[in-house]
Amino acid sequence: GAGVSQSPRYKVAKRGQDVALRCDPISGHVSLFWYQQALGQGPEFLTYFQNEAQLDKSGLPSDRFFAERPEGSVSTLKIQRTQQEDSAVYLCASSLGGRAGGEGQPQHFGDGTRLSIL
Amino acid sequence: TQLLEQSPQFLSIQEGENLTVYCNSSSVFSSLQWYRQEPGEGPVLLVTVVTGGEVKKLKRLTFQFGDARKDSSLHITAAQPGDTGLYLCAGAKNFNTDKLIFGTGTRLQVFP
Repeated sequence: GAGVSQSPRYKVAKRGQDVALRCDPISGHVSLFWYQQALGQGPEFLTYFQNEAQLDKSGLPSDRFFAERPEGSVSTLKIQRTQQEDSAVYLCASSLGGRAGGEGQPQHFGDGTRLSIL
Repeated sequence: TQLLEQSPQFLSIQEGENLTVYCNSSSVFSSLQWYRQEPGEGPVLLVTVVTGGEVKKLKRLTFQFGDARKDSSLHITAAQPGDTGLYLCAGAKNFNTDKLIFGTGTRLQVFP
């Protein structure tokens, strides 16, 4: 499809396991963002890539969280030694990047990966 | 940390009623966006406002950006069951990175 694709849609893991979440952005989109959304809350920023460069990782909650985008397209968010508080929906968004008419480029969101840690 | 506070948090109304959702902050934003999110899906952009005092209309939805670019409101006229969903405001501090700071969300339920 033409939209942002995330996989898996659902992931259940035991506490202490490592998980990897994948994001396929819209083709040609320079900017890629990861957000974490707790139940009933608004998304919170985790990290941002411009092509393959990770320009902002200020939102990553701990050093157990790691994201990469090695070829400037597909991105992976990895969580090591998962904890119960990591349970959330992880959203990926992409945009063309740069400015458009003074508004900035709109972000297009995937449907997220719902992560449950038992 | 949520810098954008939305009110009300929950809203249940009958079809045909009007409603207003508020998004407030002590910070100034370069732009502010409104999204609607349905269960199991990602947020979908409704509108972007960039100029203080700006008003944009999208059918029955009216969006306003505060003069000081710290707050915004969303007004829905004659709500319909199809308007049901989670409404999120999101602010961008600058255009270059477009990192979004999301509000706390308003869950709207419109009953037929």
